[in-house]
Amino acid sequence: QVQLQESGPGLVKPSQTLSLTCSVSGGSISSGGHYWNWIRQHPGKDLEWIGYISASGNTYYNPSLKSRVDILVDTSENQFYLNLSSVTAADTAVYFCVRDMGSGSSGPYFDSWGQGTLVTVSS
Amino acid sequence: DIQMTQSPSTLSASVGDRVTITCRASQSISHWLAWYQQKPGRAPSLLIYKASRLQSGVPSRFSGSGSGTEFTLTISGLQPDDFATYYCQQYNTYRTFGQGTKVEIK
Repeated sequence: QVQLQESGPGLVKPSQTLSLTCSVSGGSISSGGHYWNWIRQHPGKDLEWIGYISASGNTYYNPSLKSRVDILVDTSENQFYLNLSSVTAADTAVYFCVRDMGSGSSGPYFDSWGQGTLVTVSS
Repeated sequence: DIQMTQSPSTLSASVGDRVTITCRASQSISHWLAWYQQKPGRAPSLLIYKASRLQSGVPSRFSGSGSGTEFTLTISGLQPDDFATYYCQQYNTYRTFGQGTKVEIK
């Protein structure tokens, strides 16, 4: 069974770039045609999809965040990454890395989630 | 943007109750809808995908229905482990979640 684990700084200063890593175990990022997502959950509980990357490097971003987001993948490390630039307090959230089912017949629903990591934006 | 609206926001129920949560999309999403359960301090967990398909390992008391813009999640015979927050999510265009429905003990 695939497992995902987020890692990265828990505190980021305003205007800086938030950078997180998702390590995937129990399966290869390159197999199964999955997409690899970042989703965040603000303290008020709303869930917000940030974007995804395929194993081949194709990306798809939430239009509201697109200008600040970059998602990368390293298939040799079985990891993918989130960079979110010019952060403000509004970017404080729990960040999840999530696998979806890609272009299968039932569509790209989210089937496996990391445990999440809290990132606080504060000076 | 496709907006997803859940109702109610909070639901008080007892063990054994039949519970229904509604999710409405601001435009048609066909059957591209999933439901998730989340407990405090945990990641969401998939219950239903493609509007009505039960994820492997999920108890059969959970069921989903609907298409187009209106969807429901039903829990038939609420169990103590089911007190949690439930989210719908569309994956027709980009990805958006409903605001959540908290199922609490009456």
